[in-house]
Amino acid sequence: AQTVTQSQPEMSVQEAETVTLSCTYDTSENNYYLFWYKQPPSRQMILVIRQEAYKQQNATENRFSVNFQKAAKSFSLKISDSQLGDTAMYFCAFTTFQGAQKLVFGQGTRLTINP
Amino acid sequence: EAGVTQFPSHSVIEKGQTVTLRCDPISGHDNLYWYRRVMGKEIKFLLHFVKESKQDESGMPNNRFLAERTGGTYSTLKVQPAELEDSGVYFCASSQDRRGDGGDTQYFGPGTRLTVL
Repeated sequence: AQTVTQSQPEMSVQEAETVTLSCTYDTSENNYYLFWYKQPPSRQMILVIRQEAYKQQNATENRFSVNFQKAAKSFSLKISDSQLGDTAMYFCAFTTFQGAQKLVFGQGTRLTINP
Repeated sequence: EAGVTQFPSHSVIEKGQTVTLRCDPISGHDNLYWYRRVMGKEIKFLLHFVKESKQDESGMPNNRFLAERTGGTYSTLKVQPAELEDSGVYFCASSQDRRGDGGDTQYFGPGTRLTVL
């Protein structure tokens, strides 16, 4: 079975600090995509960052970067210089190259950035 | 460009009643997905349309759920009759199919919060 585990239900940091959200996954596939989505309070879920499993280089998007460890099946998200607007639920997800392209999600991490 | 929209935003119904949720994808997106998040658990896949055809409906819980996508545009998800365990947030997402390998970004709607009493 394909699963995603986010072991941190809630996290809280001060503004401008760096925070890392953990994610592990399990799949027997060799080719797949990994994603981090965020859902701010009362707003739509949006894509934060994407990683192709066949790429060794970790993806980065401005203040957001990932630490992708394929052998360990780990995909953590690092947010640098955190801002109040980063407060949101963060979901880790993946989809395989094969099949119906459905996303498999983790349980989510509620991140609060405090002023 | 308008995003994915869903209607209603919130629905409260009695057990045994029928509810129909609607999703309007981004114009031009052939792929449409339905997901559900129940009681703070993980978001789970329900089904996937490519245009008007059901590509994968392996996540549909049971035959009380019926999804349609007439003409390959908007989609409806009907729950009949609703049960208590159907309560949750129902998300719709859409994507283009540029890559054809699952890597296209899925754009999500705001969700419909369904409460069954």
